[in-house]
Amino acid sequence: DSGVTQTPKHLITATGQRVTLRCSPRSGDLSVYWYQQSLDQGLQFLIQYYNGEERAKGNILERFSAQQFPDLHSELNLSSLELGDSALYFCASSVMGDSPLHFGNGTRLTVT
Amino acid sequence: GENVEQHPSTLSVQEGDSAVIKCTYSDSASNYFPWYKQELGKRPQLIIDIRSNVGEKKDQRIAVTLNKTAKHFSLHITETQPEDSAVYFCAATRGNEKLTFGTGTRLTIIP
Repeated sequence: DSGVTQTPKHLITATGQRVTLRCSPRSGDLSVYWYQQSLDQGLQFLIQYYNGEERAKGNILERFSAQQFPDLHSELNLSSLELGDSALYFCASSVMGDSPLHFGNGTRLTVT
Repeated sequence: GENVEQHPSTLSVQEGDSAVIKCTYSDSASNYFPWYKQELGKRPQLIIDIRSNVGEKKDQRIAVTLNKTAKHFSLHITETQPEDSAVYFCAATRGNEKLTFGTGTRLTIIP
C-alpha cells in the first residue's frame, strides 16, 4: 500500500459527460501529481500541485482542470468527455520533487 | 525543461540472463534518478533510486549506475526471473521540479 488513495477505482460514463477523480496524498506529502496512461502507453504528465499551488502543467487539455485543497487532497475534473479520454488516471504524491514519488492505484475511466 | 530518453522500448531476455535499460537526461542540474516498475494494470512502483552524489547503487539483483558527465543512467537486473516481466520507467528531476519520466521499456523474461 503506497498510502495514496484514489477514488473511484472504476468509472464508466458517456461521451459529453463530466467526472471528478479524487486523490488523497500520503500523510506529510505536499506535492501531488496527476498522470494519464492510455492502453500500452507511457505516463502522460498532466499537472503538479505543491502545497495548494499549481507548480507545473503538462499537456493537459482545456477540458480538464484540477485543484489541491487546503487539506492537500486533490481533484481532477474531466468535462465534455470523449472516447479518447478513456484511460487509467494516476495520482502520485511526494514530499518534494527530488524525493520518491508514490502512486495511487489509479482510476480507470471508460467513456462509452 | 528536463528531457529523458529511454532505450530500448522493448527487451526480451532468457530467464537467468541479465537485462540492461538505459536512459539519458538533458538537464545537467538534475540530481535525483528513480526507476519504477509497472506490472500490467497496476500502479508504478519505485524499485530503486540514485542521487547525483553517488555513482552506483545496488539492491539484491537490481543495480543502477549514473554517469553525470555523459548524463546517462542505467538499470541492471541480474539473474532475471519471470516476475521481472513488466514495464520499467526511468525518471529525472532536480530540486522541487516535476519528475520527468522516460517512455518506458517493456521487459519480457523468456522461460
